[in-house]
Amino acid sequence: QQPVQSPQAVILREGEDAVINCSSSKALYSVHWYRQKHGEAPVFLMILLKGGEQKGHEKISASFNEKKQQSSLYLTASQLSYSGTYFCGTLDMNRDDKIIFGKGTRLHILP
Amino acid sequence: DTAVSQTPKYLVTQMGNDKSIKCEQNLGHDTMYWYKQDSKKFLKIMFSYNNKELIINETVPNRFSPKSPDKAHLNLHINSLELGDSAVYFCASSVIPGTQYFGPGTRLLVL
Repeated sequence: QQPVQSPQAVILREGEDAVINCSSSKALYSVHWYRQKHGEAPVFLMILLKGGEQKGHEKISASFNEKKQQSSLYLTASQLSYSGTYFCGTLDMNRDDKIIFGKGTRLHILP
Repeated sequence: DTAVSQTPKYLVTQMGNDKSIKCEQNLGHDTMYWYKQDSKKFLKIMFSYNNKELIINETVPNRFSPKSPDKAHLNLHINSLELGDSAVYFCASSVIPGTQYFGPGTRLLVL
């Protein structure tokens, strides 16, 4: 079951904050966040394994609400380098070695 | 030091031709993957190998045939190329499910 990301696209000015949401209609046991810059490969950002877990990476952090079956990625004081497409992924319920990616959220930061 | 490498980076070819893409990883990971990313940026898994053994084979036309000569290499051969095969193909490897390291991608254009 493909996770659903929202919004589909965001345009911000440098320094503004953004939130990207990822939700699933099925139980989530883990959420995986990736960023793909234009013309490049996706890069792993972080994995959240437990309900209620929060993680941070510089000014990018994420939370995982297992009960609500959703995760949110927070980008604080966004920088130009944050531009790209953000994907959340969840592991297939039937086989835990297969990740299913959402359709992505395109983030564009303006100077 | 390149972690996951792919060749070629670009591939332009005519319909009906056969082509191969090669992938190598020097991370010591046991699992390798092939993904297809279409023009809408949707990342879809095609195949997965664990220590040379095929473990994931999604609904992919049998014109696509992966081969893993050893656990550091995963190649993709495509027969009778079609227009719809135009996409970016990413190789990836992982040791922890969901934490994947992607290669730079091969941009395939079928004319």
